[in-house]
Amino acid sequence: EVQLVESGGGLVQPGGSLRLSCAASGFSFSDHWMTWVRQAPGKGLEWVANIRRDGGEKYYVDSVKGRFTISRDNSKNSLFLQMDSLRAEDTATYYCASGTYSHGYWGQGTLVTVSS
Amino acid sequence: EIVLTQSPGTLSLSPGERATLSCRASQIISSNYLAWYQQKPGQAPRLLIYDTSSRATGIPDRFSGSGSGTDFTLTITRLEPEDFAVYYCQQSGSTPRTFGQGTKVEIK
Repeated sequence: EVQLVESGGGLVQPGGSLRLSCAASGFSFSDHWMTWVRQAPGKGLEWVANIRRDGGEKYYVDSVKGRFTISRDNSKNSLFLQMDSLRAEDTATYYCASGTYSHGYWGQGTLVTVSS
Repeated sequence: EIVLTQSPGTLSLSPGERATLSCRASQIISSNYLAWYQQKPGQAPRLLIYDTSSRATGIPDRFSGSGSGTDFTLTITRLEPEDFAVYYCQQSGSTPRTFGQGTKVEIK
């Protein structure tokens, strides 16, 4: 069974940092591009970043460029999102998802709240 | 950045009726890399359709996708009670891989 399990969310002050993790199992993690998608409370989905199978290519939405860093450890079947200089508008549930052009598997999400 | 505009914002229908959801792109989507997702409250999105018209594993054939270029459609031929949810389109033809704002299909 494919599983994606996010962790690392929580309450952080504006300007602070958090590191999200996504543990993958049940599929060949290293064969798949991986993506982070977020959803602010009561809002729609927003694509955040993705990373190539070997980690050699990374792409970001403009609003997080220079503040967020996506990475992966294929030896541990894990995906990460380092989030620095957090803002109130980064408050959202963050999902990891697998797939290159569409996302067939999603985690249940981890909530990040940026507030003083 | 490709902007996806979904219409209508809300669709009020009865079980058994046909639902037609539209997704219009601000630019041509390369290779028709257009997907549709269903999301219910408190749940992660679920992939329904990928590459414009291919159904994902386990998706009933009452769901179908069509379109090309900048205009895409998700059709649900006969709504079942479990189909009332929010639907999002997403393009993966260029980066950033944007989502539409969603269409809510609600029970009339």
